[in-house]
Amino acid sequence: SAVISQKPSRDICQRGTSLTIQCQVDSQVTMMFWYRQQPGQSLTLIATANQGSEATYESGFVIDKFPISRPNLTFSTLTVSNMSPEDSSIYLCSVAPSGGTETQYFGPGTRLLVL
Amino acid sequence: GQNIDQPTEMTATEGAIVQINCTYQTSGFNGLFWYQQHAGEAPTFLSYNVLDGLEEKGRFSSFLSRSKGYSYLLLKELQMKDSASYLCAATGGFKTIFGAGTRLFVKA
Repeated sequence: SAVISQKPSRDICQRGTSLTIQCQVDSQVTMMFWYRQQPGQSLTLIATANQGSEATYESGFVIDKFPISRPNLTFSTLTVSNMSPEDSSIYLCSVAPSGGTETQYFGPGTRLLVL
Repeated sequence: GQNIDQPTEMTATEGAIVQINCTYQTSGFNGLFWYQQHAGEAPTFLSYNVLDGLEEKGRFSSFLSRSKGYSYLLLKELQMKDSASYLCAATGGFKTIFGAGTRLFVKA
């Protein structure tokens, strides 16, 4: 298994500002993912964070809005840019230590409220 | 296209058995996950089925039929703490697609 931490655990932000969420894993992992879970809904994949190259974004998500960094195999950041109330959600970091088809482990999540 | 269907809500009695069904359509299917998520918490891994058949793990069992695109999670001897959302997720290639989740209410 993998132990994942996220910072911040929660935040309240003003419209138009940006927030960077950090994800730290206790071991080197191949695949890291960022998900969003809006209130009462399931998880939606935002992007796959690739080490040493640009992230791979899912349909409906763009780099300008959700820039992602992955400087090494244990760390990634997701920035939510120019926030609006619609961005209020839980943002979850996930890792697949053995590759994309194996068990995924989730971080505790970052609860974001945009006013 | 890719699609996962599971019931929105279920209610069961403490000590009983409940089966949560999931049907999926996904390209390049590899396997089927079940996760448990308590309110306000991150999902936790329950099971991962790659081959057809039933896999038992304590009070929880998971079944997969690849030809039918069907899976179920079976919970036995229900406890109040089993009240949670149960997420079905299909993996294909390097992506995992999650269903909307089934909210299970366990009553005394």
